[in-house]
Amino acid sequence: GEDVEQSLFLSVREGDSSVINCTYTDSSSTYLYWYKQEPGAGLQLLTYIFSNMDMKQDQRLTVLLNKKDKHLSLRIADTQTGDSAIYFCAESIWDTGKLIFGQGTTLQVKP
Amino acid sequence: EAQVTQNPRYLITVTGKKLTVTCSQNMNHEYMSWYRQDPGLGLRQIYYSMNVEVTDKGDVPEGYKVSRKEKRNFPLILESPSPNQTSLYFCASNIRGRTDTQYFGPGTRLTVL
Repeated sequence: GEDVEQSLFLSVREGDSSVINCTYTDSSSTYLYWYKQEPGAGLQLLTYIFSNMDMKQDQRLTVLLNKKDKHLSLRIADTQTGDSAIYFCAESIWDTGKLIFGQGTTLQVKP
Repeated sequence: EAQVTQNPRYLITVTGKKLTVTCSQNMNHEYMSWYRQDPGLGLRQIYYSMNVEVTDKGDVPEGYKVSRKEKRNFPLILESPSPNQTSLYFCASNIRGRTDTQYFGPGTRLTVL
């Protein structure tokens, strides 16, 4: 069945790079997403990658997709305290509006 | 401004007291859905609707009902809420088949005592 897995917690120092990893199972995924949720807030779409791409870069964010291994990662360069949040990866199921979410990775940025 | 609105944003209620959480979108999207978010579980889909009068169960539909009488509205109904339905609820909408057009509402935090 459809499943998306993430590690639950990551701690980094301010200025370092953060890498949040995600694995998924459905090979028919069309888009893969990264969402950010700050404490007490809703979901903010950070970036997404189409399943036929390997990499996408957007300012401090780099998304890498290894379709063979069904592995997705989000790299945040020069991590700031404002990046502290929960990060969700999600895959979309072909021809539906359904998103399958991972458990969320809490990113803690220490000054 | 394109948006999905939910009401109420916060609700504390008691077991068994029927409640409705409203969801409305202004983008003429066909597809709407409800998710619940629980710590360590991420977001899970409760119900979805492909269009007016077309609804179907998601992954965790037990204890919930929905209706889609108009394209813009997709209310979530808890006929007899129980404490295990205490959660953060999100409504979302998108063009059918296009999750890259998906918008999420701001969330409704529900506590059932």
